[in-house]
Amino acid sequence: DAKTTQPNSMESNEEEPVHLPCNHSTISGTDYIHWYRQLPSQGPEYVIHGLTSNVNNRMASLAIAEDRKSSTLILHRATLRDAAVYYCILYRNQFYFGTGTSLTVIP
Amino acid sequence: EAQVTQNPRYLITVTGKKLTVTCSQNMNHEYMSWYRQDPGLGLRQIYYSMNVEVTDKGDVPEGYKVSRKEKRNFPLILESPSPNQTSLYFCASSSSPGRNTEAFFGQGTRLTVV
Repeated sequence: DAKTTQPNSMESNEEEPVHLPCNHSTISGTDYIHWYRQLPSQGPEYVIHGLTSNVNNRMASLAIAEDRKSSTLILHRATLRDAAVYYCILYRNQFYFGTGTSLTVIP
Repeated sequence: EAQVTQNPRYLITVTGKKLTVTCSQNMNHEYMSWYRQDPGLGLRQIYYSMNVEVTDKGDVPEGYKVSRKEKRNFPLILESPSPNQTSLYFCASSSSPGRNTEAFFGQGTRLTVV
């Protein structure tokens, strides 16, 4: 398995930035770091992915440590619709989903 | 609209009665896969397919079959369902085996085997 470690849960106030951490100390040189999120009663939804450099898209930013053993998903302004379980995944022949981080957004 | 469609969304069946969960994608993706999601275990891959007529086992294939006769469809077959296959199932597709691509997931099928 390509194992990642995330906090079980986090809270954020609405309209504030959220930093979701992920440790992946066993990452290999060709593993991409993917983030997906799962809203209640829905399938996982792609958020962002990267290899070495930091990445930005319309949903979020991904900050990757220089040694690639950890990464952080950044939601710049949390909204109530961002309340979901966020999965940090190393793609190695398949997606290995852990149990993710359950994000609660407080109004 | 790009989508992965699973049917049915909900299914209650009895032990031993064969069932099929369908999965269809409209993005001409080559790679498709099935996952099951159980509390405390995250998503675990059941089977995947790299292309038409090419399938392989994931981490938890026991009790399941798949087929890939055409690119858009990837049905999951439970020949003799048992209660331990009660779970939430997701189908996913991507243009290639996911390393540098986005995967699209279906809405899920909640299966209960009694």
